[in-house]
Amino acid sequence: GAGVSQTPSNKVTEKGKYVELRCDPISGHTALYWYRQSLGQGPEFLIYFQGTGAADDSGLPNDRFFAVRPEGSVSTLKIQRTERGDSAVYLCASSLNQGMNTEAFFGQGTRLTVV
Amino acid sequence: SQQGEEDPQALSIQEGENATMNCSYKTSINNLQWYRQNSGRGLVHLILIRSNEREKHSGRLRVTLDTSKKSSSLLITASRAADTASYFCALFYTGGFKTIFGAGTRLFVKA
Repeated sequence: GAGVSQTPSNKVTEKGKYVELRCDPISGHTALYWYRQSLGQGPEFLIYFQGTGAADDSGLPNDRFFAVRPEGSVSTLKIQRTERGDSAVYLCASSLNQGMNTEAFFGQGTRLTVV
Repeated sequence: SQQGEEDPQALSIQEGENATMNCSYKTSINNLQWYRQNSGRGLVHLILIRSNEREKHSGRLRVTLDTSKKSSSLLITASRAADTASYFCALFYTGGFKTIFGAGTRLFVKA
């Protein structure tokens, strides 16, 4: 596609529910990243994929968070038993090569609100 | 902390003036990038400067990197109201896979 696409753009869910956030990277980009951003803060790294595998998942806050990229393209970030503290904008980015040694392109994010 | 520290946290200037933002960090980096964000959503890549580079230009943007002082600056010349946004430095550390963002500088350009 023309850019990184994230769906939904907004998601409101009740505490304790399960949510999935989707990211469609730019076609041909092998590297994919998930970040989380709270109001007034910079993006916080969650996980990095190189192809289908998670090369670095050190930013996932706990085992309620999980991400997959089964075919090396679309990625889904999954959050179980959501908590109010999970409310944030979840950003996805992709880049052509390994790591962020090249320009990364960000999607518009999914704003998650847990009530 | 691996996070870059930006200053100032907020900057308000008149249209036509120059804006300078700084980023400092603590450990060796592979590259440093600057991003802009409008309205708290998608980030737009501005410039990437590698650890062996000292200065880069892109239009009205000028980025410098001093690895001995572990600091970088972003200069926006002849600012416009449309430059109003948050600006983030992002650090790609040696030997790692992830890029760490700072807390950002909020720039407001008054018309």
